Amino acid sequence: QVQLVESGGGVVQPGRSLRLSCAASGFMFSGYGMHWVRQAPGKGLEWVGIIWHDGTKAYYADSVKGRFTISRDNPKNTLYLQMDSLRAEDTAVYYCARVNHCTTGDCYVSGMDVWGQGTTVTVSS
Amino acid sequence: SFELTQPPSVSVSPGQTARITCSGDALPSQGAYWYQRRPGQAPLLVIYKDIERPPGIPERFFGSRSGTTVTLTLSGVQAEDEADYYCQSADSVGTFVFGSGTTVTVL
Repeated sequence: QVQLVESGGGVVQPGRSLRLSCAASGFMFSGYGMHWVRQAPGKGLEWVGIIWHDGTKAYYADSVKGRFTISRDNPKNTLYLQMDSLRAEDTAVYYCARVNHCTTGDCYVSGMDVWGQGTTVTVSS
Repeated sequence: SFELTQPPSVSVSPGQTARITCSGDALPSQGAYWYQRRPGQAPLLVIYKDIERPPGIPERFFGSRSGTTVTLTLSGVQAEDEADYYCQSADSVGTFVFGSGTTVTVL
């Protein structure tokens, strides 16, 4: 069945780096854009960034721009989130989610129809 | 910046109707999505493109729009509907946004 599985979370010191992975199965990964979304303790959902199906475009929330990088390996059906210069406020559960139900043909307005179970990142000294 | 505004909480008795609003000055037509987030579970898409319901979502979940406000209506609320609900949209130039979330409490 259609599935997304995140991995790579853990405890990391401020200023260090961490890379998250999201393994996709059950669908044609290369045909879909992908998001990263996070939820900090006691807070709501926060969009982190998106990468287009072919990896040619990526956009980021202002809170992570310049520190986080989204990439993908379509032959390996895997999405990545490289997180550098981590801060305490980056502590959250991180989810990957599939782009779908596009309102615009280019999917600049779209939803997220499949989500992983999340991986926890804790930034603490 | 593009923002979506939701009420923090809604309380409803079992069998009654709960309505959750989401307002945004730049909310694009057919560009609202709703997610249910139960504790310990991943978010679940319950409404897309303002009014459409994905397969498997009960008919008691209903989406509507009036101007720049979209509404998620839960009819005949059940205990299992107790959760946080988030609206989501995008600004058409690469920024996606979630509302602050609404906690639905079934009394």
